[in-house]
Amino acid sequence: DAGVIQSPRHEVTEMGQEVTLRCKPISGHNSLFWYRQTMMRGLELLIYFNNNVPIDDSGMPEDRFSAKMPNASFSTLKIQPSEPRDSAVYFCASTPGGLNSPLHFGNGTRLTVT
Amino acid sequence: QQQVKQSPQSLIVQKGGISIINCAYENTAFDYFPWYQQFPGKGPALLIAIRPDVSEKKEGRFTISFNKSAKQFSLHIMDSQPGDSATYFCAPGVKEYGNKLVFGAGTILRVKS
Repeated sequence: DAGVIQSPRHEVTEMGQEVTLRCKPISGHNSLFWYRQTMMRGLELLIYFNNNVPIDDSGMPEDRFSAKMPNASFSTLKIQPSEPRDSAVYFCASTPGGLNSPLHFGNGTRLTVT
Repeated sequence: QQQVKQSPQSLIVQKGGISIINCAYENTAFDYFPWYQQFPGKGPALLIAIRPDVSEKKEGRFTISFNKSAKQFSLHIMDSQPGDSATYFCAPGVKEYGNKLVFGAGTILRVKS
């Protein structure tokens, strides 16, 4: 079990640039979550998918953020254009589904927007 | 985020001591009460969880105590070890909504050897 794989681990970009974060969930897991972690706001749920379909995107901060899950083994979170306040650690998590199944988190992508 | 209040923000405990972290929630619809543990540079990982039909659950040195009427639950770490030094999050949720958890702000635990 390779766990949830996120790439890149670190991303440094300039304000206004497009940023794409990638996630490969654990095989067989049918729910996928994107979280953002900052000192000020803690862990925030941005969006989650069930069977590749977005179920709740109410946590997406604004239209600059978008997420896709084209198939069961890949998801992306895109920020366009990026702003310094987007600097955070972004986590992807997956779960096999079923009631109260634990979330399996990746090791995150640390994004710095200058 | 105000639905869940976690305390203390940080905690220093001597090796062998007991670490206690508390979580208070407002949403009475919550029916799943996990604690997650996070080490630097890693994502959070499930440590222990409890359902509301029991008042206590123990797994090794880790115990959850649950008080439904007070809308509180706590994590107790017995015989705390330096390897327990991490950030701990309570993250209650509602079964109906799968694993849409609401994370507390976190408690940074440091166990001194």
